[in-house]
Amino acid sequence: QQQVKQSPQSLIVQKGGIPIINCAYENTAFDYFPWYQQFPGKGPALLIAIRPDVSEKKEGRFTISFNKSAKQFSLHIMDSQPGDSATYFCAASIQGAQKLVFGQGTRLTINP
Amino acid sequence: GAVVSQHPSRVICKSGTSVKIECRSLDFQATTMFWYRQFPKKSLMLMATSNEGSKATYEQGVEKDKFLINHASLTLSTLTVTSAHPEDSSFYICSARDRTVGKNQPQHFGDGTRLSIL
Repeated sequence: QQQVKQSPQSLIVQKGGIPIINCAYENTAFDYFPWYQQFPGKGPALLIAIRPDVSEKKEGRFTISFNKSAKQFSLHIMDSQPGDSATYFCAASIQGAQKLVFGQGTRLTINP
Repeated sequence: GAVVSQHPSRVICKSGTSVKIECRSLDFQATTMFWYRQFPKKSLMLMATSNEGSKATYEQGVEKDKFLINHASLTLSTLTVTSAHPEDSSFYICSARDRTVGKNQPQHFGDGTRLSIL
């Protein structure tokens, strides 16, 4: 119940395309859903986060779509660039608790 | 803002050595810091939650005596890998939450420490 399942494991998209990464969870107590971007040899950096009372959130080229009834959320990257090539992790946490549960990660490659 | 500094970035040492990794919040105070371990091409695995002024809370399966955590101030937590062996080789990452911000605020991550035990 504490798992967050992320797919796909890897994704290759042409420059300008819109990669979509999906995550699903079981625990309905989760109420905070961040996405992190990680480059090789670096720590994860927060990209964008959403709470379940909102169905969509956009920050720059990054958009989270949230489907509370399906217990799914996804990350869309608009006008993708080669510099977006990285590993992306979704995560979830429970209100008042502090621990993040991470998805398995998606290795994204944007070809020029 | 919200910068977390981790030191050293890379350590190579002989089997049996104890290694200390520092995690500092540079521009905010963190009552809680977290220590993760990440294997190549894998996700982050939470090892322990470090609370300022109290004992750390370890995740199931993590050896407390092997991975010693100290959180002596609001800006510093340390992880000591005692008597390290090759199987302890990994990428160790810390994170911290700003204590002045409300609940469910993001964790800010350091850049990790690559530990290699020969």
